[in-house]
Amino acid sequence: QQPVQSPQAVILREGEDAVINCSSSKALYSVHWYRQKHGEAPVFLMILLKGGEQKGHEKISASFNEKKQQSSLYLTASQLSYSGTYFCGTETGAGSYQLTFGKGTKLSVIP
Amino acid sequence: DVKVTQSSRYLVKRTGEKVFLECVQDMDHENMFWYRQDPGLGLRLIYFSYDVKMKEKGDIPEGYSVSREKKERFSLILESASTNQTSMYLCASRPPTGKGTFGYTFGSGTRLTVV
Repeated sequence: QQPVQSPQAVILREGEDAVINCSSSKALYSVHWYRQKHGEAPVFLMILLKGGEQKGHEKISASFNEKKQQSSLYLTASQLSYSGTYFCGTETGAGSYQLTFGKGTKLSVIP
Repeated sequence: DVKVTQSSRYLVKRTGEKVFLECVQDMDHENMFWYRQDPGLGLRLIYFSYDVKMKEKGDIPEGYSVSREKKERFSLILESASTNQTSMYLCASRPPTGKGTFGYTFGSGTRLTVV
């Protein structure tokens, strides 16, 4: 069963912040976040493991609430280069390795 | 950097044809995956493989098969192509057991059109 992402789409002006949520009905071992630009392959951003800490990468960070099986991706002071579709991918067991992806959140950053 | 190469960027095939999509990775990864991506549906797992000659069904395996004769190569086969298999196909690989903090590396995709 696919995790549910929200919102489906968001438009930001440069410098604004955004939060993308990912929710699963299954117990999770890890949550991955990927960004896909138009016409390109998805690119790995970060992974959050069960029992792990909040991760960050420059102005993009994420958290994982194990009790609620939810993860959130935080984009602060957005830049034009942040535009794309963001996918969360969930892994239900250590060593299972295959991911189930959400339907994606399209982020558009405008000047 | 890990490289995942898909042999064709665009393919047009006729209904009923047998279609082979090839994927090669250069980092000795054990785990390889095939997804299809459709607008509004995200990425859906077709098949995956943990090792040579091993394969597991994903969420939507019907109408597909796979082959993994060598560690670096994972092929997706459409036994008899149908128009509902028109899609973007993405191959991915991931590091082996013990390196679970790494994510997927995706190939650039094959856009298949079945007419």
